[in-house]
Amino acid sequence: SQQGEEDPQALSIQEGENATMNCSYKTSINNLQWYRQNSGRGLVHLILIRSNEREKHSGRLRVTLDTSKKSSSLLITASRAADTASYFCATDAEGYSTLTFGKGTMLLVSP
Amino acid sequence: NAGVTQTPKFRVLKTGQSMTLLCAQDMNHEYMYWYRQDPGMGLRLIHYSVGEGTTAKGEVPDGYNVSRLKKQNFLLGLESAAPSQTSVYFCASSYWTSGEQYFGPGTRLTVT
Repeated sequence: SQQGEEDPQALSIQEGENATMNCSYKTSINNLQWYRQNSGRGLVHLILIRSNEREKHSGRLRVTLDTSKKSSSLLITASRAADTASYFCATDAEGYSTLTFGKGTMLLVSP
Repeated sequence: NAGVTQTPKFRVLKTGQSMTLLCAQDMNHEYMYWYRQDPGMGLRLIHYSVGEGTTAKGEVPDGYNVSRLKKQNFLLGLESAAPSQTSVYFCASSYWTSGEQYFGPGTRLTVT
């Protein structure tokens, strides 16, 4: 069964708009991470948020974590065409030996 | 630093053939992983290693074998390829099991 699930599966926006992606998970976590994958490439780590943190920023990225709802969101502000990619959440969860990845959200940013 | 490299980048196999995918990292990471990525399935862990000489099964290990004879290298073997193993294979490494993973560029394998 999937530990982390991203929502929506696909998102299409215009340049300059904000993009929000969500991740829900099932069991308690130690940390949650977000990765980006450009088409045909390997995943690239974006940000890690620990279970005792509620919000974290990195450049145009803002990640929130709500452990009571077992959910996280990734906000990309003022999106650019170069942000077009798939975004994955990964959890370090109790009962799992390694990180588990969701199926991803495909983001398309049109000029 | 090259980071994580994978060879080959592309490969076409016939059913029943064997091959080995090589992953190398130059970051002195203890942990290494092999994933497969299929459309709509996300990343699924095949095998992983917590150090030189150790390996463990992941979510989808059947049909694959691995070896970690040197800390910097992690090999994934297919002894008798099947069409169901057509996929993109990614190797990754990390300092610790719950930390940031660094991914290679992937190997696109087609089994006919």
